[in-house]
Amino acid sequence: GAVVSQHPSRVICKSGTSVKIECRSLDFQATTMFWYRQFPKQSLMLMATSNEGSKATYEQGVEKDKFLINHASLTLSTLTVTSAHPEDSSFYICSARDGQGWTSVQETQYFGPGTRLLVL
Amino acid sequence: GQNIDQPTEMTATEGAIVQINCTYQTSGFNGLFWYQQHAGEAPTFLSYNVLDGLEEKGRFSSFLSRSKGYSYLLLKELQMKDSASYLCAAMDSNYQLIWGAGTKLIIKP
Repeated sequence: GAVVSQHPSRVICKSGTSVKIECRSLDFQATTMFWYRQFPKQSLMLMATSNEGSKATYEQGVEKDKFLINHASLTLSTLTVTSAHPEDSSFYICSARDGQGWTSVQETQYFGPGTRLLVL
Repeated sequence: GQNIDQPTEMTATEGAIVQINCTYQTSGFNGLFWYQQHAGEAPTFLSYNVLDGLEEKGRFSSFLSRSKGYSYLLLKELQMKDSASYLCAAMDSNYQLIWGAGTKLIIKP
């Protein structure tokens, strides 16, 4: 199956700083990438959907100026948490869709390993 | 509105069988997914159903009834490593996944 990587896997930062998380599709071209956030004991919450070369579509309640998403190429999307605060501490997961080889619906999303963010 | 319901937590014994239920309401329907998520890790794909009936894959099986908006994941011959959260997700008419809150499965020796 396709592989999606995320970096860093874990980050601790001070309140007020910005944190950038990278999501890469390693062996396919991801025309669409999804960013999720998951708080402890809760399900995945979709934050935004990004298509290569265009602006991300944010879900209701997600601040686009706080969570900057850049899908600069077919293999890379970044999420920047600007001026992070302790309430932003969460598990951030990206997933990618292979727009070219989408032969079956179950291939719709390949998940990265996640990034655990802790804001002090 | 769109909604997915599944039990919060279940407990089962090693070697036994457990069934995790999921009911869904979505705007349109393009299939039902089950994912396994171990603590601190991202979800991994288990199964996909779009037609009514049972799909068997080794120790795991998944069932779908579209008329009832109902699915279940059946795990047989439970092993300790099956302790995880199991996420049910329905795909709507826009091919967006609507996620349930997950069922935490605890396996006891």
